[in-house]
Amino acid sequence: GEDVEQSLFLSVREGDSSVINCTYTDSSSTYLYWYKQEPGAGLQLLTYIFSNMDMKQDQRLTVLLNKKDKHLSLRIADTQTGDSAIYFCAESGGSGNTGKLIFGQGTTLQVKP
Amino acid sequence: EAGVVQSPRYKIIEKKQPVAFWCNPISGHNTLYWYLQNLGQGPELLIRYENEEAVDDSQLPKDRFSAERLKGVDSTLKIQPAELGDSAVYLCASSPPPLYNEQFFGPGTRLTVL
Repeated sequence: GEDVEQSLFLSVREGDSSVINCTYTDSSSTYLYWYKQEPGAGLQLLTYIFSNMDMKQDQRLTVLLNKKDKHLSLRIADTQTGDSAIYFCAESGGSGNTGKLIFGQGTTLQVKP
Repeated sequence: EAGVVQSPRYKIIEKKQPVAFWCNPISGHNTLYWYLQNLGQGPELLIRYENEEAVDDSQLPKDRFSAERLKGVDSTLKIQPAELGDSAVYLCASSPPPLYNEQFFGPGTRLTVL
């Protein structure tokens, strides 16, 4: 079945790079996503990557996709205290773009000043 | 542009009571989603609407949960009767056609069942 796994916690110092990892099982997923959730708030879409790409860069964010290993990572350069939040990886369940998202359990990023 | 609006933000009820959550999606967004987020977990899809039609409700526990989107805009999610295990955050999201990959989430309703 469809499943998305993430490590639960990451702690970094301000100014360092953060790398959050994710593995997924559905090889037919068309899109893979990274969402950010701050306390008491809904999820905010950070970025997404189409399954036929292996890298996408957007300002401080770099997404790497290894489709063979079904591994997705999010790198945040120059991490700031405002980046402290929970980060969710998600895949578009099933083939095609159907709107169904399968989320991981989230990685809590702690940024120390 | 206003985001997805949900109310109430917090709700505390006793078990066996009914409860309802309301969602107003972003204007022009035909697709509306209700997600359940348990503590320490990612959201799980309960139901997806295309306009007023529920196109995916396979994860909705239909014995106690119901949802409606009568005019294809606002939506209501209801639980009757609520159980202790229903304590969670209920998130609403919407997306513009046909960009399902851009889902915009509301702040959620945190439900506590005592």
